[in-house]
Amino acid sequence: DIQMTQSPSTLSASVGDRVTITCRASQIISGWVAWYQQKPGKAPKLLIYKASNLDSGVPSRFSGSGSGTEFTLTISSLQPDDFATYYCQQYDSYSPLFNFGPGTKVDIK
Amino acid sequence: QVQLVESGGGIVQPGRSLRLSCAASGFSFSRYAMYWVRQAPGKGLECVAGISDDKNYRYYADSVKGRFTISRDNFKDTLNLEMSSLRAEDTATYYCARDRFPMVRGYGMDVWGQGTTVIVS
Repeated sequence: DIQMTQSPSTLSASVGDRVTITCRASQIISGWVAWYQQKPGKAPKLLIYKASNLDSGVPSRFSGSGSGTEFTLTISSLQPDDFATYYCQQYDSYSPLFNFGPGTKVDIK
Repeated sequence: QVQLVESGGGIVQPGRSLRLSCAASGFSFSRYAMYWVRQAPGKGLECVAGISDDKNYRYYADSVKGRFTISRDNFKDTLNLEMSSLRAEDTATYYCARDRFPMVRGYGMDVWGQGTTVIVS
């Protein structure tokens, strides 16, 4: 099974900061990575699919990139609404259930 | 309005069974693969089961294999999760979720229910 790790596990930042979260896979994956935002007591929200595609209605300050085993989610200018936990998710056709990373909590500095 | 609404959660004793349901509306349910994703209190997300749009393929996490059964009714636009031999570690909020695109897998999950809570105690 492919294992996903995320770094950092917690990130303290201020409004306006540029924030980058990294997701690493235990083996090469073909870009089948998605990113989610989750706020306490709420369901996750899809932000990015296929590594770099912004989902409908997601602000353009969010972007995704990466290939191989390393993928990143970047928030270009952190807004008050962005304080949340972020999860990467990997899809592998050989293990067809989506596999989530452990999450990165972004909190207020 | 595209919507998923879960039901069926509750408090259940270890070893007992419980059935979760998810009612879909506002989209062509039969064209989408569907999933159950759970989140234990204070923990991360775990995709525990998935089913293809045509019901031909069903997938389970190792943690629930042999105990949970996913099913769907494409006429009633309903997704189900039959859970048996429940354990304390199955305590979680259970979400149903939809594939991002119809009939194509791997692009994430774009529609989620509000979740239903299962407590095994």
